[in-house]
Amino acid sequence: DSGVTQTPKHLITATGQRVTLRCSPRSGDLSVYWYQQSLDQGLQFLIQYYNGEERAKGNILERFSAQQFPDLHSELNLSSLELGDSALYFCASSVALAWNEQFFGPGTRLTVL
Amino acid sequence: GENVEQHPSTLSVQEGDSAVIKCTYSDSASNYFPWYKQELGKRPQLIIDIRSNVGEKKDQRIAVTLNKTAKHFSLHITETQPEDSAVYFCAASKGQGGKLIFGQGTELSVKP
Repeated sequence: DSGVTQTPKHLITATGQRVTLRCSPRSGDLSVYWYQQSLDQGLQFLIQYYNGEERAKGNILERFSAQQFPDLHSELNLSSLELGDSALYFCASSVALAWNEQFFGPGTRLTVL
Repeated sequence: GENVEQHPSTLSVQEGDSAVIKCTYSDSASNYFPWYKQELGKRPQLIIDIRSNVGEKKDQRIAVTLNKTAKHFSLHITETQPEDSAVYFCAASKGQGGKLIFGQGTELSVKP
């Protein structure tokens, strides 16, 4: 157990819908990263937050957004869902910017039907 | 752009043999290179990492080597066991707390 938690574990929804994925970092970790894992694209970085502020953006679609709250938990919002958005979404956390190690949560498996 | 190439994509070894997985990165500013093990349906688990100021690091049966000149790093697993069977990912990042750029993964199968 990495200490990073994610809810829900599984999510099944229809095209065009909107979902919210939640992540709680390890106690004391200030940085949160979101990654998408699909069969054809592998593990891809989406977005990073540090202490409530967006720090880096990767291949994140405009339909996707995220935020980090004062208690440091983070939410990833996916809207206007398409079949191709079906994937495993992982959150990872690290202590601080000077500390590179990232520890992954168990992931949320999103299925868009 | 930033890219990490990983080979082989699949690797099958007999229990007790060694396994080597190789990665090449494109961004010379990369300074942190972790390896993750992912079992089916589970989270990627950090197993070992190396920073750019070190050439080699070992932890029991696993070791990682880094060649900054060639922009190449490798994972070595000795005395493989069936429980080592999983998908292994290399990654690279730069700066402080930077995003991880992952390789495509290697599916390792250790046959008893």
